[in-house]
Amino acid sequence: AQSVTQLGSHVSVSEGALVLLRCNYSSSVPPYLFWYVQYPNQGLQLLLKYTSAATLVKGINGFEAEFKKSETSFHLTKPSAHMSDAAEYFCAVRAGANAGNMLTFGGGTRLMVKP
Amino acid sequence: GAVVSQHPSWVICKSGTSVKIECRSLDFQATTMFWYRQFPKQSLMLMATSNEGSKATYEQGVEKDKFLINHASLTLSTLTVTSAHPEDSSFYICSASQGAPTYEQYFGPGTRLTVT
Repeated sequence: AQSVTQLGSHVSVSEGALVLLRCNYSSSVPPYLFWYVQYPNQGLQLLLKYTSAATLVKGINGFEAEFKKSETSFHLTKPSAHMSDAAEYFCAVRAGANAGNMLTFGGGTRLMVKP
Repeated sequence: GAVVSQHPSWVICKSGTSVKIECRSLDFQATTMFWYRQFPKQSLMLMATSNEGSKATYEQGVEKDKFLINHASLTLSTLTVTSAHPEDSSFYICSASQGAPTYEQYFGPGTRLTVT
């Protein structure tokens, strides 16, 4: 079984500041890890994913995440926040390549960007 | 590519009536579709998984007689909320997957259901 914990249900940063959204996972097998963004009243958009290749993964909109097995973490970062980054962010885990489609989501982190 | 649509995007219905939500994969064939429910300010909760031509697999605690899922083709799955009540009001999101080799899920834009 796998699980995901997102520390901090709300994160507030100033425009131009570093964005750091935390995600820790638990998985009995090598995981595949995902970050999704959700804007109000919309579905989920994939930001980036880790699928056992490079540990530093670059995604859309300037976001990146680093897989750290020793820390069981997959934190999402962006060097400089934009107002348009304000949204809900979800980390998700899948139990590797052969686990079928099942995703387990974290509780979500709402990112607020102050002008 | 990999676009998933949902219809309607929002719906208001009266208590006791049924409402159907459609999920379509527009440019790929989806061997598996998923239905999620999302309460305000909460994460996605998987309701059920459906494979084309098979009965849906429901998660524990989800009433299969209340939330009827049909996956009649490789591009269409429907969720019917039967005898809806105000507590069924929620945001319903579907996703679709082509299966191997990536098993990636592509998400629809969601449907906001309000039961009055």
